[in-house]
Amino acid sequence: EPEVTQTPSHQVTQMGQEVILRCVPISNHLYFYWYRQILGQKVEFLVSFYNNEISEKSEIFDDQFSVERPDGSNFTLKIRSTKLEDSAMYFCASSDWGQGLEREQYFGPGTRLTVT
Amino acid sequence: AQRVTQPEKLLSVFKGAPVELKCNYSYSGSPELFWYVQYSRQRLQLLLRHISRESIKGFTADLNKGETSFHLKKPFAQEEDSAMYYCALTGAGSYQLTFGKGTKLSVIP
Repeated sequence: EPEVTQTPSHQVTQMGQEVILRCVPISNHLYFYWYRQILGQKVEFLVSFYNNEISEKSEIFDDQFSVERPDGSNFTLKIRSTKLEDSAMYFCASSDWGQGLEREQYFGPGTRLTVT
Repeated sequence: AQRVTQPEKLLSVFKGAPVELKCNYSYSGSPELFWYVQYSRQRLQLLLRHISRESIKGFTADLNKGETSFHLKKPFAQEEDSAMYYCALTGAGSYQLTFGKGTKLSVIP
């Protein structure tokens, strides 16, 4: 069964550094998402992406964040200058389209980001 | 603003006992409700969505608009049901999921 993959599984970075988290969505899916979960807190929506542009974003997704689909398979989340409070598990998800399938999101295993 | 509340952080039941995981929501329109499950060291997986009305792994959930609830139920718990369960919703015209904090279900053999 096809799955969403994410790399790396764990990323440690120093405050102020840039990080890029990578995701390979399920082939043929057209909607892509990033969520994060700070330890002990809820899974929170960051951004959704469709047709090569952002379709929705949350208040968390400020100018420090950007997303890109650089080729036909990868979907990346970049944090320009990391802060301690960016430490979290970041989940990528993708969904198909049509007949309400957009809402059936398939999640990756997550990347644990630790900012020191 | 939309919100999902799961009042129980942890729920322990004996094998064979009924299970009910509570979920209440706040949304001004007609939401779509979901249950996601995360087994130990695995990814979040969609368990069921209210519009499909399917029973997955013996679990069912009914949307009660009057009580704004979407409780997850199973008549007889199995050990393999032990996992983290998240209730989530999407609103009209949106695909972003709003999650509750999750309930950890522990089934005691």
